[in-house]
Amino acid sequence: DAKTTQPNSMESNEEEPVHLPCNHSTISGTDYIHWYRQLPSQGPEYVIHGLTSNVNNRMASLAIAEDRKSSTLILHRATLRDAAVYYCILRDRLYNQGGKLIFGQGTELSVKP
Amino acid sequence: EAGVTQFPSHSVIEKGQTVTLRCDPISGHDNLYWYRRVMGKEIKFLLHFVKESKQDESGMPNNRFLAERTGGTYSTLKVQPAELEDSGVYFCASSQRFRGRNEQFFGPGTRLTVL
Repeated sequence: DAKTTQPNSMESNEEEPVHLPCNHSTISGTDYIHWYRQLPSQGPEYVIHGLTSNVNNRMASLAIAEDRKSSTLILHRATLRDAAVYYCILRDRLYNQGGKLIFGQGTELSVKP
Repeated sequence: EAGVTQFPSHSVIEKGQTVTLRCDPISGHDNLYWYRRVMGKEIKFLLHFVKESKQDESGMPNNRFLAERTGGTYSTLKVQPAELEDSGVYFCASSQRFRGRNEQFFGPGTRLTVL
């Protein structure tokens, strides 16, 4: 699986948008971009994923660069409950239906009231 | 629908003892995974079951770790004998096969402390 690079930490104010970047310059054509997050004292949870086009769901939006070498997870209005470690993970389409997740260091997001 | 459950939530044992962790996946999920985070490190994959078969056990650190999934339902991870470096949080996750985004659902983890 290709490697991703994320900032170690970011800060946000409550109710403001947050843009969490991820670089994946060695991404292959069959890699999906997945995001998971881990709230304090919990297991990781799925947030969103995409291949080429931008994606939206009830939790967040995923903006994928045209060359796919980077992506940005967007939380439109951060809440205190969004404070977590966010992981950007690449998963090969061939294994997308069952393969392991390879976690990096992730970005620790803190949200200030 | 119940989520992934893990038992116990915490375990404190002495070096050399045996500990068995249990994971109950979401009903109907054929895929079951074990991961762990040791102090200060990233979450690392241990192994992957499809039903009762080990699909990928490339992450198992050594032969002191034994995972089973009898009948393709719950799974156990036994550490025997436990060493100090085994301390950490052990996560179990499950997912469906051949369904859409194949997200993995994680349990809350078992915190293992080896003294």
